Amino acid sequence: DTGVSQNPRHKITKRGQNVTFRCDPISEHNRLYWYRQTLGQGPEFLTYFQNEAQLEKSRLLSDRFSAERPKGSFSTLEIQRTEQGDSAMYLCASSAGESVEGYTFGSGTRLTVV
Amino acid sequence: AQKVTQAQTEISVVEKEDVTLDCVYETRDTTYYLFWYKQPPSGELVFLIRRNSFDEQNEISGRYSWNFQKSTSSFNFTITASQVVDSAVYFCALSEASRGRRALTFGSGTKLQVQP
Repeated sequence: DTGVSQNPRHKITKRGQNVTFRCDPISEHNRLYWYRQTLGQGPEFLTYFQNEAQLEKSRLLSDRFSAERPKGSFSTLEIQRTEQGDSAMYLCASSAGESVEGYTFGSGTRLTVV
Repeated sequence: AQKVTQAQTEISVVEKEDVTLDCVYETRDTTYYLFWYKQPPSGELVFLIRRNSFDEQNEISGRYSWNFQKSTSSFNFTITASQVVDSAVYFCALSEASRGRRALTFGSGTKLQVQP
């Protein structure tokens, strides 16, 4: 297991289309997080899963956003009716409880809405 | 509410110079964790260090050192004898015990450019 894997790396979509991103965490990590990073800013927390349960959602996560982690392994983040303001890097991270080394982040999916 | 401020947007140094990246945080929690992450051009956030609020001892790891001062709510990061490979964006982050340490609040980052 080489780390947190995110697919696709890049996604270009037209405004109004739906997109889905996938995150495969480190296999023994029970916690999974999604963050969004816009250009020149730090990542912003979107949502958090412990196993398959979604325990926290940021108010940044509008009704157009939905995240799932059906079997407590991989997770998907879907954005419906994309808007230009959704253009950002979407980062996934995982951790094994309160890991002393913090979270392990994936390389992210860069979304461009045209 | 929690907040992390990295006032230095961009720093440029020449190789072998020492450089300090500033981080100031705000939190109402008495138990919290502070982090530094490095984000190279590839985009992946690389964990550098985590400190808890009860441990103000400074830490050194090779060319990296961190100075945590609760009195000034600062957690500064110094790179000694900088190298070109240190060029990246560095983020300071905070997690609070009251939120079950679930979410990180990041600063806006400091872009470090090390010139040869």
